[in-house]
Amino acid sequence: GAVVSQHPSWVICKSGTSVKIECRSLDFQATTMFWYRQFPKQSLMLMATSNEGSKATYEQGVEKDKFLINHASLTLSTLTVTSAHPEDSSFYICSAEGGFGTEAFFGQGTRLTVV
Amino acid sequence: KNEVEQSPQNLTAQEGEFITINCSYSVGISALHWLQQHPGGGIVSLFMLSSGKKKHGRLIATINIQEKHSSLHITASHPRDSAVYICAVRSNSGGSNYKLTFGKGTLLTVNP
Repeated sequence: GAVVSQHPSWVICKSGTSVKIECRSLDFQATTMFWYRQFPKQSLMLMATSNEGSKATYEQGVEKDKFLINHASLTLSTLTVTSAHPEDSSFYICSAEGGFGTEAFFGQGTRLTVV
Repeated sequence: KNEVEQSPQNLTAQEGEFITINCSYSVGISALHWLQQHPGGGIVSLFMLSSGKKKHGRLIATINIQEKHSSLHITASHPRDSAVYICAVRSNSGGSNYKLTFGKGTLLTVNP
């Protein structure tokens, strides 16, 4: 199947700093990418949907100024957690799709720990 | 009530056993996905279904659109099958039809 690479796989940062997570589709053009957050033993919670070249659509309750999403090309989307706080510590995972109705391919996830 | 319900939540089996995980949903869908999440967190897409049945190796997925129900079967289970299995549906209604709605997952443990 198609490959989606997410980097870094884990990161530890200090409170108040920003962290950027990258999601790349390696062998297909991802017209849409999704960013999820997952708490322990919980299912994935959609944070935002990003389409290449346009602003991301955020889910209710997700602060767009805190979780900056950029989808500048058909193979790369980034999620930047700004001014990170310990409560932002979580598992973040992206998925990419080549078009409506196509299969979803997921990145490996990023475990963020804010200290 | 969640739009996607999975059962069981936890399943422990002995190596070699036949496994069935069930997924029921309450909305009209364009597709249903079965995903596998290993302890490290990475997610692998196993199947995408809109009708009928698909088979890949020891894995079989079926869907009954009329009954809004899907099953994932694992034949000759192996300890390496131990993971969380997640059912996700893509609604076919309105502007949210691009989003996946996820079940809470089934934690499968296969003992040697």
